[in-house]
Amino acid sequence: DQQVKQNSPSLSVQEGRISILNCDYTNSMFDYFLWYKKYPAEGPTFLISISSIKDKNEDGRFTVFLNKSAKHLSLHIVPSQPGDSAVYFCAAHSGAGSYQLTFGKGTKLSVIP
Amino acid sequence: DAGVIQSPRHEVTEMGQEVTLRCKPISGHNSLFWYRQTMMRGLELLIYFNNNVPIDDSGMPEDRFSAKMPNASFSTLKIQPSEPRDSAVYFCASSKGPADTQYFGPGTRLTVL
Repeated sequence: DQQVKQNSPSLSVQEGRISILNCDYTNSMFDYFLWYKKYPAEGPTFLISISSIKDKNEDGRFTVFLNKSAKHLSLHIVPSQPGDSAVYFCAAHSGAGSYQLTFGKGTKLSVIP
Repeated sequence: DAGVIQSPRHEVTEMGQEVTLRCKPISGHNSLFWYRQTMMRGLELLIYFNNNVPIDDSGMPEDRFSAKMPNASFSTLKIQPSEPRDSAVYFCASSKGPADTQYFGPGTRLTVL
C-alpha cells in the first residue's frame, strides 16, 4: 500500500512558465515533508521541506504548499528553467525523531526551451 | 566537502556470484541508510545504522542480503548469492541525526545476469 503517491509520472512545461508537482499521502502520522530532485546517474538531492505546522515554505523559485486536511502537498517552480528537468520525489517523515522516509515514485519534469 | 561516496558505480555480475557495494558517508554524519530503487517499488529503505549500529534491517529482503558498518566512515552491503531480481540501483545516504536531512550518494547500478 503506497502511503505517498505521486500520480503524475511525467510533466512537460514550457520554459518560463510555472511547474506544479503534486503529492498525496495517506498516513496522518506524517508530520514533515521533503522534495528531492534527481538527475540521471546521480542520487536524489534535497530540494525543500515543510513541517506540518506550516502551510507554505518558499526558497527562491521553489515553493512547497501543504494542505493537511486534504493530505496533499505541491511543489511550485516559478519560473521553470531547462535545468529543472529532472525526476522529483516527494517524501515524508512520521513522528519526531523518526528516521523513516517514505518516498513517492517520482514525477519526471521536462522543461521545454 | 565531499558528499556520500559509493563504489562501484556500475556492477555487472552473474547469478550466484557475491556482490559487495561500498559506501563512505559524509564526515560527521552519524546515521547511514541503504536504499534500493526499482521501477516497480520505487525507493525502499533496506537498512538503517546509527552510530555504526544497525537499528532497523526490516527492509532487507532476504538472508542473502547483509550489511555492515565497521566504522563511522565505511559501510558495505553484500548480496550472496546474487539473483537477477536483485538488479536495481542501490543508494547509500547519510545524515547528521536520524531525523535530519538525508544526503544521497550517486548510487550503484547492479545488473545480475
